[in-house]
Amino acid sequence: GDSVTQMEGPVTLSEEACLTINCTYTATGYPSLFWYVQYPGEGLQLLLKATKADDKGSNKGFEATYRKETTSFHLEKGSVQVSDSAVYFCAPNLDSNYQLIWGAGTKLIIKP
Amino acid sequence: ETGVTQTPRHLVMGMTNKKSLKCEQHLGHNAMYWYKQSAKKPLELMFVYNFKEQTENNSVPSRFSPECPNSSHLFLHLHTLQPEDSALYLCASTQVGGRPSGNTIYFGEGSWLTVV
Repeated sequence: GDSVTQMEGPVTLSEEACLTINCTYTATGYPSLFWYVQYPGEGLQLLLKATKADDKGSNKGFEATYRKETTSFHLEKGSVQVSDSAVYFCAPNLDSNYQLIWGAGTKLIIKP
Repeated sequence: ETGVTQTPRHLVMGMTNKKSLKCEQHLGHNAMYWYKQSAKKPLELMFVYNFKEQTENNSVPSRFSPECPNSSHLFLHLHTLQPEDSALYLCASTQVGGRPSGNTIYFGEGSWLTVV
């Protein structure tokens, strides 16, 4: 069935380090791909998205590129800040419905 | 502010109580969702309403009862819950139509429920 696999957390980095959170998915169609972020005590909010192959989504210094050949959508940031500490969710959205497939999320901890 | 408002933000209830969670979206969307988020588990989709009609019920126990009186409001009625139902309950909405897979889902901040 359709599924998504994310890096297990927590991921702990020092401020200004480079970040990559891996995300791969299996799907029968060609989903749009989303990264959502959940800051402590809050609900989820959209971080970035890409709707077709080779598209790059970007926001707040984060980027992710839709790689159809590897069915991946890895999240990257060149220099993380303490304020980036949160849980990050990769979520494909299939064409066949409007529901997202959710992974368990990756908790990111940034230390000063 | 995401345009989706949930109340209350925190709720503590006994196992014999009846309470309700409320969600309101100000985005003009036509689909609304309830999700359950428990620690260290993926988000669990509970209910989906599309144009006020329930289109999904993911084997949710009957002690959870949703209500969607119009496309802007969604309720989750709670009755005789169990301690394992303690979780963050998230409401979300989106606009279905066109190329739905590209549409963003907007979440509320959630209602933290503790069943004692």
